[in-house]
Amino acid sequence: GEQVEQRPPHLSVREGDSAVITCTYTDPNSYYFFWYKQEPGASLQLLMKVFSSTEINEGQGFTVLLNKKDKRLSLNLTAAHPGDSAAYFCAVSSLGYQNFYFGKGTSLTVIP
Amino acid sequence: EAAVTQSPRNKVTVTGGNVTLSCRQTNSHNYMYWYRQDTGHGLRLIHYSYGAGNLQIGDVPDGYKATRTTQEDFFLLLELASPSQTSLYFCASSEGRFPAPLFGEGTRLSVL
Repeated sequence: GEQVEQRPPHLSVREGDSAVITCTYTDPNSYYFFWYKQEPGASLQLLMKVFSSTEINEGQGFTVLLNKKDKRLSLNLTAAHPGDSAAYFCAVSSLGYQNFYFGKGTSLTVIP
Repeated sequence: EAAVTQSPRNKVTVTGGNVTLSCRQTNSHNYMYWYRQDTGHGLRLIHYSYGAGNLQIGDVPDGYKATRTTQEDFFLLLELASPSQTSLYFCASSEGRFPAPLFGEGTRLSVL
């Protein structure tokens, strides 16, 4: 089955710096990609969902890149602020298949 | 507003006890999922369902039963709880066309 590897498990950056979290996956049929944010004690909130056909997706303060050739998905927070401190999870699903495979998560700390 | 509601939010039981976790979604989603979240493991899929009366086995099903009684309601049953089932449990629902799991607030279960 699909294997999703997420790196790094922990990341600490200074306010204003960029932070990059990367997931690699194994199933070439993977089609849907997601990033979730989980604040301490809270549920998972969807940050962005990405189709296989779109390689660059921009949100508020972050960019998601999809490299299908290398089977790599990355989340780039362009200028981190303390409110970004949270756990981040990637998730992957294939077309027509209703299971989701999650990475193990990255705990991001943004130091003021 | 789309919602997934879990109950109880916290539960403490003893080894060998009987526990039922409840989940209700008001999103008219076909798919519902039960995950457990543990440090170092991320989210792992226990069971999922694509409609009332349907049940699919996830990646870590041992020790768990589940039942989908209606499109809205999905239950997770631990009939002989063990300390290894101490975890944070999340229910989620998703729409088939462009699935992006919507998560509930979680249930923290402690098995003593």
